[in-house]
Amino acid sequence: TQLLEQSPQFLSIQEGENLTVYCNSSSVFSSLQWYRQEPGEGPVLLVTVVTGGEVKKLKRLTFQFGDARKDSSLHITAAQPGDTGLYLCAGGWDSGTYKYIFGTGTRLKVLA
Amino acid sequence: EAQVTQNPRYLITVTGKKLTVTCSQNMNHEYMSWYRQDPGLGLRQIYYSMNVEVTDKGDVPEGYKVSRKEKRNFPLILESPSPNQTSLYFCASSWTGVELPYEQYFGPGTRLTVT
Repeated sequence: TQLLEQSPQFLSIQEGENLTVYCNSSSVFSSLQWYRQEPGEGPVLLVTVVTGGEVKKLKRLTFQFGDARKDSSLHITAAQPGDTGLYLCAGGWDSGTYKYIFGTGTRLKVLA
Repeated sequence: EAQVTQNPRYLITVTGKKLTVTCSQNMNHEYMSWYRQDPGLGLRQIYYSMNVEVTDKGDVPEGYKVSRKEKRNFPLILESPSPNQTSLYFCASSWTGVELPYEQYFGPGTRLTVT
């Protein structure tokens, strides 16, 4: 089973600051998804990256898939309190199965 | 409204008492899955189903059973719950991608406590 490690685990920043969250694996994934989860709710998809080196932007969020498709990053520009939540990366498919592998998550708190 | 529903949302039970958590989706998705979420461990996949009567183990299947008799329903069964199965459980569904996974839609979660 592949593993996805996210860093940092926790992040508390002031409104307006920039931040980057990392998602790393020793193995290759065919695609990588980023989800955000708010308290009391299930995760909601932000983006899927598929091609090595791919960069996708969603307003102030920039997602990048590593060239070797083993890692990904999420960069938030000028963070806002509404960005507060748990960010999860998810790799699929795992080693010839149809399993998803989720990272351990990054809990972000943006202070006003 | 497209959604995944789970019941119950909260459940406190005792060791050894069989229970079932139901999951239903109204999007005609082929793929359904169960996860558990524990602090510091993220989401871990318990079982998944590619279609009716097709199920397979995720990373943490021990102590759980599933069935997929209808496309819309994917119940999670704990035959003899133990305290280490205390967790937050999520059901999810998506279209089936043979080459690539599609977006998963998650239910609201079921918080289970086994004493």
